[in-house]
Amino acid sequence: DTAVSQTPKYLVTQMGNDKSIKCEQNLGHDTMYWYKQDSKKFLKIMFSYNNKELIINETVPNRFSPKSPDKAHLNLHINSLELGDSAVYFCASSSETQYFGPGTRLLVL
Amino acid sequence: AQKITQTQPGMFVQEKEAVTLDCTYDTSDQSYGLFWYKQPSSGEMIFLIYQGSYDEQNATEGRYSLNFQKARKSANLVISASQLGDSAMYFCAMREESGAGSYQLTFGKGTKLSVIP
Repeated sequence: DTAVSQTPKYLVTQMGNDKSIKCEQNLGHDTMYWYKQDSKKFLKIMFSYNNKELIINETVPNRFSPKSPDKAHLNLHINSLELGDSAVYFCASSSETQYFGPGTRLLVL
Repeated sequence: AQKITQTQPGMFVQEKEAVTLDCTYDTSDQSYGLFWYKQPSSGEMIFLIYQGSYDEQNATEGRYSLNFQKARKSANLVISASQLGDSAMYFCAMREESGAGSYQLTFGKGTKLSVIP
């Protein structure tokens, strides 16, 4: 059973489009996260949700909007995609330990 | 200021040898946690080992051990008996509380380990 799953795994799209990435965890964790990994492999927190409440909103453009319909799901919607949004986006969930999804590789052309 | 420092961008180790990946951290919190993750070329982030700041013994998980030196603020990862499958990026991360029972991880820049046959 996959603990943290993300869809899609790959996403190639044109500049200006709107896209969503979905994340689900079956670990029963209360807290979920979105991280961005840039081309230099640097990982940075974007958002954190605890029991469907936004806890962290780092300096992320407001084109990025997380949505948590329930505590097992945390989706990421991105409006008006830009070239600089190309990266790998990781979803994670945590109790004591933080577990990551497989990542979504976004390429904006 | 960088909170997690991994000074080795890349390292080589001979198969079956042990290797130490360095990690130093900076925090004024009394309660914190340190993690190591492995990222193979396939891209997933694999949890390896965790050390809490109040844990008196160094954490161990199979061939992985964490050399925790609190006074020096270091949390080095030791991999014993390296295998070819250990070739990957390794990230050190520190847990920081962010309120309402949640925390965030701050990552180092990673060390790329290559195991030589």
